[in-house]
Amino acid sequence: AQSVTQLDSQVPVFEEAPVELRCNYSSSVSVYLFWYVQYPNQGLQLLLKYLSGSTLVKGINGFEAEFNKSQTSFHLRKPSVHISDTAEYFCAVNPLRGGSNYKLTFGKGTLLTVNP
Amino acid sequence: GAGVSQSPRYKVTKRGQDVALRCDPISGHVSLYWYRQALGQGPEFLTYFNYEAQQDKSGLPNDRFSAERPEGSISTLTIQRTEQRDSAMYRCASSLGGRETQYFGPGTRLLVL
Repeated sequence: AQSVTQLDSQVPVFEEAPVELRCNYSSSVSVYLFWYVQYPNQGLQLLLKYLSGSTLVKGINGFEAEFNKSQTSFHLRKPSVHISDTAEYFCAVNPLRGGSNYKLTFGKGTLLTVNP
Repeated sequence: GAGVSQSPRYKVTKRGQDVALRCDPISGHVSLYWYRQALGQGPEFLTYFNYEAQQDKSGLPNDRFSAERPEGSISTLTIQRTEQRDSAMYRCASSLGGRETQYFGPGTRLLVL
């Protein structure tokens, strides 16, 4: 079984400041990792994903995340945020192998609020 | 192209009533998933279809919950004899295959009074 921990439920930042949203996971098998974003009154949108290869993954809207296998982390970063980045961000994993390799396990989400 | 659509977007019902939530996946996506998201939580897996076959229903909380996808396209999640604890956001997702990236719809927010 897998579990995902998003350490911060809320992160307030000022516009143009850098931000890091933290995600740690637990799994007995290797996993794929995802960040999804939910803008107000919209559905979940895929921000980026790590499947294999380079541990630094770039996504949409200037976000990037780094997979750290030894620390079982997949933190999301952006060097300079905009008001429009205000949203809820979800980290998720699914196992590479096994009978449930289609099943996403999500963290509880981090609400990013960007203030002017 | 069109994304995943869900209807209704909002549903208010009285305890004891049955509700049916609809999901229309992206055209050509053979895999379809239902998740439930309680307030302050992340989405939790309910069930998974590959074409019309329900491959996994391990996440359905009890036998009041059922889902179908009879023609391998549109899916319906039905909750019988709703209870207040069923209030949540119900999310549908689809993918090209079972291990492919999942694309989510806007969700149906269900409120049981």
